[in-house]
Amino acid sequence: DAKTTQPPSMDCAEGRAANLPCNHSTISGNEYVYWYRQIHSQGPQYIIHGLKNNETNEMASLIITEDRKSSTLILPHATLRDTAVYYCIVSKRTSYDKVIFGPGTSLSVIP
Amino acid sequence: DGGITQSPKYLFRKEGQNVTLSCEQNLNHDAMYWYRQDPGQGLRLIYYSQIVNDFQKGDIAEGYSVSREKKESFPLTVTSAQKNPTAFYLCASSIGHGYTFGSGTRLTVV
Repeated sequence: DAKTTQPPSMDCAEGRAANLPCNHSTISGNEYVYWYRQIHSQGPQYIIHGLKNNETNEMASLIITEDRKSSTLILPHATLRDTAVYYCIVSKRTSYDKVIFGPGTSLSVIP
Repeated sequence: DGGITQSPKYLFRKEGQNVTLSCEQNLNHDAMYWYRQDPGQGLRLIYYSQIVNDFQKGDIAEGYSVSREKKESFPLTVTSAQKNPTAFYLCASSIGHGYTFGSGTRLTVV
């Protein structure tokens, strides 16, 4: 069973912020939220993860709601190279838990 | 540079033949995984291994086999019992948070 729900597709204008939502209403207390992206015909790339606090790195920001039932990945200034499929994953620390990838959100950045 | 190497990038085989996909990592990661991806779909877990000489079936293990004799290597064999083997195969490894993926092998069975 899928642990997360994401919109199948989104568009974003180049240079604007891309906000990708994810619902994970059944998340348990020791599960993290992970985000990956996959550019066409390549392996997925890890972006960011968080438990309950908001997180930021050089690629993106992750905002997790207080009840932890949903999150948003923010790409602050989207470029054409950000066009990809984005996967939201919920799991325990990945070494000890198999990870389920759903269909993700296909983000198209428009010039 | 550390990473995961999958070879070959493209592979063609005749129906009924077994084929082995290579996956090697030099990241010193304990856990390794094999996923299958069909066009427009997410990733489906075939097999995973958390330590050497141990592995578990994923959601779609039928028709596949693996071995984990060395920490660095996790080869996947697609047997003739796999009914629809044509797909994009991805290998990954992890230690703690986050997976590192290889660049994938695209298998076409004709």
